Amino acid sequence: EPEVTQTPSHQVTQMGQEVILRCVPISNHLYFYWYRQILGQKVEFLVSFYNNEISEKSEIFDDQFSVERPDGSNFTLKIRSTKLEDSAMYFCASSSRLAEIYEQYFGPGTRLTVT
Amino acid sequence: LAKTTQPISMDSYEGQEVNITCSHNNIATNDYITWYQQFPSQGPRFIIQGYKTKVTNEVASLFIPADRKSSTLSLPRVSLSDTAVYYCLVGAYTGTASKLTFGTGTRLQVTL
Repeated sequence: EPEVTQTPSHQVTQMGQEVILRCVPISNHLYFYWYRQILGQKVEFLVSFYNNEISEKSEIFDDQFSVERPDGSNFTLKIRSTKLEDSAMYFCASSSRLAEIYEQYFGPGTRLTVT
Repeated sequence: LAKTTQPISMDSYEGQEVNITCSHNNIATNDYITWYQQFPSQGPRFIIQGYKTKVTNEVASLFIPADRKSSTLSLPRVSLSDTAVYYCLVGAYTGTASKLTFGTGTRLQVTL
């Protein structure tokens, strides 16, 4: 069964550093998303991406965040200058336009720890 | 977006049927009802989606009454591995880049 993959599984970084979280969505999917989940809290939407541009972004997704699909397979989330409050699990997801049932497939997540 | 209300937690013994009810009084005509499951430190996983009446797949059943103001996820004969958080989501999904809005979910604990 196809799956979304994410790397790294765990990233530790110092406050103020840039991090890039990587995702490989399911190959025939067209819509891509990033969500995050702070420990013990809800899963929160960050951004959706389609046709090489952002479709929607949340208030969390400020100027410190950016997304990119640098080639035909990878989808990345960059945090330019990390803050302590960016520590969370970051989930990538993808979906297919042609699905009869609307389903987003989530990756296993990257645990980001900012110290 | 329709607001959803579901129990914070439920406990069950292995082998029992578990029913988790979600209330969504202000559901809109175009809204679908979708349930996701999340294990600790993993991404959410789609379980089932429906619009009205009953939907069944290999994992669960979803019961939606005629007024659609609530829905019930039914897990037959749960096992320890069904211990997870279950989220009820309500929204209009156009097949395009529609975001998912998660609540706090129902934490199901299955024991022997």
